[in-house]
Amino acid sequence: AQSVAQPEDQVNVAEGNPLTVKCTYSVSGNPYLFWYVQYPNRGLQFLLKYITGDNLVKGSYGFEAEFNKSQTSFHLKKPSALVSDSALYFCAVREGSASKIIFGSGTRLSIRP
Amino acid sequence: ETGVTQTPRHLVMGMTNKKSLKCEQHLGHNAMYWYKQSAKKPLELMFVYSLEERVENNSVPSRFSPECPNSSHLFLHLHTLQPEDSALYLCASSQSPGGEVDEQFFGPGTRLTVL
Repeated sequence: AQSVAQPEDQVNVAEGNPLTVKCTYSVSGNPYLFWYVQYPNRGLQFLLKYITGDNLVKGSYGFEAEFNKSQTSFHLKKPSALVSDSALYFCAVREGSASKIIFGSGTRLSIRP
Repeated sequence: ETGVTQTPRHLVMGMTNKKSLKCEQHLGHNAMYWYKQSAKKPLELMFVYSLEERVENNSVPSRFSPECPNSSHLFLHLHTLQPEDSALYLCASSQSPGGEVDEQFFGPGTRLTVL
């Protein structure tokens, strides 16, 4: 069975500092990994995905994520945080060609000025 | 903004009411999804439709009844709901489920309150 964990409910970062939002996953086959962001009163927006290839994936709004197979992790990163990055972030995993994506419980990112 | 619209945005209903949620996607996608988002719980997949055929049903109670008349429209019919069904119901679409180009595009959601 596939699963995904986001160990931090909340991450607080000062504006201009680097940020990391953690995600670990468990699948029996090849993982497809995704990050989504949810702003207040909005649906989820796709940020980036890993399918195959380069372990460092670049996405929208300056975010990137690093796939680490040995640690089964897919942490979301940004070199310099903005106040506007404050939102709820979801990691998701799909096993190969399965139709079902499993979402993590979400991490609330708060960027202080 | 995302090409997926949902109506109504807010709905308050009694336990004996019957109502329907509507979702429409303008992206030319072939797959559509219903999710339930409750406070402090992971996003729960309810139903998946591919080319108007249901391909996934995650043990959802029968008081929730989906309908997909074509690849652009998805409905969720509600009847005799319980207060614990109060949540944000999100609709999403993707090019096809299980394909490599499978990022999902979400609507803004319907905030449902069951009294």
